[in-house]
Amino acid sequence: EPEVTQTPSHQVTQMGQEVILRCVPISNHLYFYWYRQILGQKVEFLVSFYNNEISEKSEIFDDQFSVERPDGSNFTLKIRSTKLEDSAMYFCASRADKAVEQYFGPGTRLTVT
Amino acid sequence: AQSVTQPDIHITVSEGASLELRCNYSYGATPYLFWYVQSPGQGLQLLLKYFSGDTLVQGIKGFEAEFKRSQSSFNLRKPSVHWSDAAEYFCAVGWSGGYQKVTFGTGTKLQVIP
Repeated sequence: EPEVTQTPSHQVTQMGQEVILRCVPISNHLYFYWYRQILGQKVEFLVSFYNNEISEKSEIFDDQFSVERPDGSNFTLKIRSTKLEDSAMYFCASRADKAVEQYFGPGTRLTVT
Repeated sequence: AQSVTQPDIHITVSEGASLELRCNYSYGATPYLFWYVQSPGQGLQLLLKYFSGDTLVQGIKGFEAEFKRSQSSFNLRKPSVHWSDAAEYFCAVGWSGGYQKVTFGTGTKLQVIP
């Protein structure tokens, strides 16, 4: 069964450093998403991406965040200058055209020290 | 704005007992409703979804959920819980417009005792 994959599974970085989290969505899906889950809190929407552009973003997704689909398979989330409060589990998700459900990857745990 | 409430943070059941996890949503129209499960160290796995039609939906692993419009609820049920069901369960709501971001509840952690 096809699945969403994410790398790395765990990333440790120092405050102020740039990080790139990578995702490979399910191959025939057209809609891509990033969510995050701060430890002990609920999963929060960050951004949706369709047709090579951001379609919707939350207020969390400020100028420090960017997303890109650099080729036909990868979908990345970049945090330009990490803060301590960016420490969280980041989930990538994808959705097929005309479907309602999103399929989530296993997540990348980001720890900012 | 859409919102989801899961009133039970933590539930403990005995193996073989029945289970019901509660979920209430707030949304102006008929939403898309989902239940996801997250095992320790794992991602979010879709258990089941509702978007129209029969209000009782069947999912994977023997789970079912019932959409009750009058109560704005979408409770998850399982007649007989297995030890492997111990995990965290998230109710989520999407909507038919836009690009369908999903709003999650705070989750219910299920513990199964022998």
